[in-house]
Amino acid sequence: DIVMTQSPDSLAVSLGERATINCKSSQTVLYSSSNKNYLAWYQQKPGQPPKLLISWASTRESGVPDRFSGSGSGTDFTLTISSLQAEDVAVYYCQQYYTTPRTFGGGTKVEIK
Amino acid sequence: QVQLVESGGGLVKPGGSLRLSCAASGFTLSDYFMSWIRQTPGKGLEWISYITTSGTMYYADSVKGRFTMSRDNAKNSLYLQMNSLRAEDTAVYYCAREPTGFDYWGQGTQVTVSA
Repeated sequence: DIVMTQSPDSLAVSLGERATINCKSSQTVLYSSSNKNYLAWYQQKPGQPPKLLISWASTRESGVPDRFSGSGSGTDFTLTISSLQAEDVAVYYCQQYYTTPRTFGGGTKVEIK
Repeated sequence: QVQLVESGGGLVKPGGSLRLSCAASGFTLSDYFMSWIRQTPGKGLEWISYITTSGTMYYADSVKGRFTMSRDNAKNSLYLQMNSLRAEDTAVYYCAREPTGFDYWGQGTQVTVSA
């Protein structure tokens, strides 16, 4: 199984400042034939299911604000919130869909400092 | 609009059974990979099974042999038959659609396994 490791477990960021979340996979999630990374990012607020923010490591879903961006390739990935807003307080997860079983990172809790 | 609605959760004793349902609307369920995913405070998000467009099912090792997924194309619904339930199966269970990543999720149904 591919193990997804997120860091940090939690972070507190001032409003308007940058938040950076890291995700490392135990093996590559890059398909060489397509040059695509099978990596997604989710946001989950209390009492709600996760919401897909980014797929293919860097493609924002429709309606997702452009302050959210994803980067990385192979085994190392980053989700960046460029200017933290109050509504961004949530837990963020990475997930690989490169192979079965699908696996998620442990989550990063983002709070306001 | 796309909607997924789970039902069937509840309280069950260890060793018991439960059948979860997921009713889809706004799209044809059989056109997508569909998964069941569960979430606990301690273990986070855990994928447990999916069904492909051709009807092949895959399961996580933690539920293999105990849980069975199925699909009713006429009802546009997904099911999860859970047998031999254990305390560690206690979780919120979600169904989710997977084109690339899980783009739509239901609101979840709580399953509690306790004597």
